Amino acid sequence: GNSVTQMEGPVTLSEEAFLTINCTYTATGYPSLFWYVQYPGEGLQLLLKATKADDKGSNKGFEATYRKETTSFHLEKGSVQVSDSAVYFCALRSGGGADGLTFGKGTHLIIQP
Amino acid sequence: GAVVSQHPSWVICKSGTSVKIECRSLDFQATTMFWYRQFPKQSLMLMATSNEGSKATYEQGVEKDKFLINHASLTLSTLTVTSAHPEDSSFYICSARVSSYEQYFGPGTRLTVT
Repeated sequence: GNSVTQMEGPVTLSEEAFLTINCTYTATGYPSLFWYVQYPGEGLQLLLKATKADDKGSNKGFEATYRKETTSFHLEKGSVQVSDSAVYFCALRSGGGADGLTFGKGTHLIIQP
Repeated sequence: GAVVSQHPSWVICKSGTSVKIECRSLDFQATTMFWYRQFPKQSLMLMATSNEGSKATYEQGVEKDKFLINHASLTLSTLTVTSAHPEDSSFYICSARVSSYEQYFGPGTRLTVT
């Protein structure tokens, strides 16, 4: 079956530091890959996505590249801000658009000023 | 952007009773909604896919007679936890499909069964 593995948190960084949150997956076929972010007290929000190999998703300074050869979709940001503190979920969807998502456990990111 | 609401946000019920959770798409119509369950420090687990006007599709291991899903309109899906027990205590999250690659998530409902 499908599965997503992401680094456990919490991850604590200083403001302006470089961020990497690792994500690897197991799936049949050619899944679509996503990063979602959850701010305190809010629902999950789509941060970025990639639908095929070598695609790069980007949004708000965050980037992730769909690497089929390593089955990875690592999230990166060059310079984090305190406002980036949140829980980040890596997810995949295989099959058609009607399928639900398979999520990783989430990584709690804490940015200190 | 599209907004999905859930009601209630937090509910406490006694063991053996049933509780209904509502998921609404506020400014768009959704033919497909999803229900997830999240345990503390765990990932979201897909429970079922709810399609307007038809029976829900449940994931393996999810008891359909215990978790009743009704998607009666294009803006409302409900999850009823029947004969709740303490092990059903969890965080329940719904989402509404807006495109092939995007779902909008509700803020979640915390259920505590005493």
